[in-house]
Amino acid sequence: DIVMTQSPATLSVSPGEGATLSCRASQTVTSSLAWYQQKPGQAPRLLMYGASTRATGTPARFSGSGSGTDFTLTISSLHSEDFAVYFCQQYKSWPLTFGQGTRLEIK
Amino acid sequence: EVQLVQSGAEVKKPGESLKITCQGFGNTFTAAWIAWVRQMPGKGLEWMGIIYPGDSDTRYNPSFQGQVTISVDKSISAVYLQWSRLKASDTAMYYCAIGGLNWLAPWGQGTQVTVSS
Repeated sequence: DIVMTQSPATLSVSPGEGATLSCRASQTVTSSLAWYQQKPGQAPRLLMYGASTRATGTPARFSGSGSGTDFTLTISSLHSEDFAVYFCQQYKSWPLTFGQGTRLEIK
Repeated sequence: EVQLVQSGAEVKKPGESLKITCQGFGNTFTAAWIAWVRQMPGKGLEWMGIIYPGDSDTRYNPSFQGQVTISVDKSISAVYLQWSRLKASDTAMYYCAIGGLNWLAPWGQGTQVTVSS
């Protein structure tokens, strides 16, 4: 299985500041990578697919980059509603696998 | 767009059986893969398996093969996740979602399964 490793586990940032979340794959996934946001008590929501394509409804302050094994999700200016847990997921090979998540918390 | 609504929370004892439901609303239900995803308490997400309602083609994550059964009743646009003998370690939130071979969207609201003696 492809192992997805996210860093950091927790990121403390002040509203209005930017945040950068990382995701690394144990082998290449080309651009077959998605990002999800999960708020407490809610199901995950798709933010990004194809490493850099925003899903419908994802604000423009979210951007994704990377290919191969190293990926980044960047939030340019944090809003209060952005504090949540973020997961990456590869869909290059079966079984599809998720990272363990990065918790983005208010500093 | 298909919307997914899941059955309610369940509390069961070890050894009992259980079947939870993911109901699809929308006219593309049979033309999209449906996935089941497990989230254990305070943990990440695990892809359990997928089913294509149109022809019942089913694929399992090897980690879950033999532990659960995924099935469909396309006449009522429902997908199921079933256990024959629950264990305490099956305690988790279970989500269904549209998508089988790539990303997942949208998701159902989740079904909490608690297994405790």
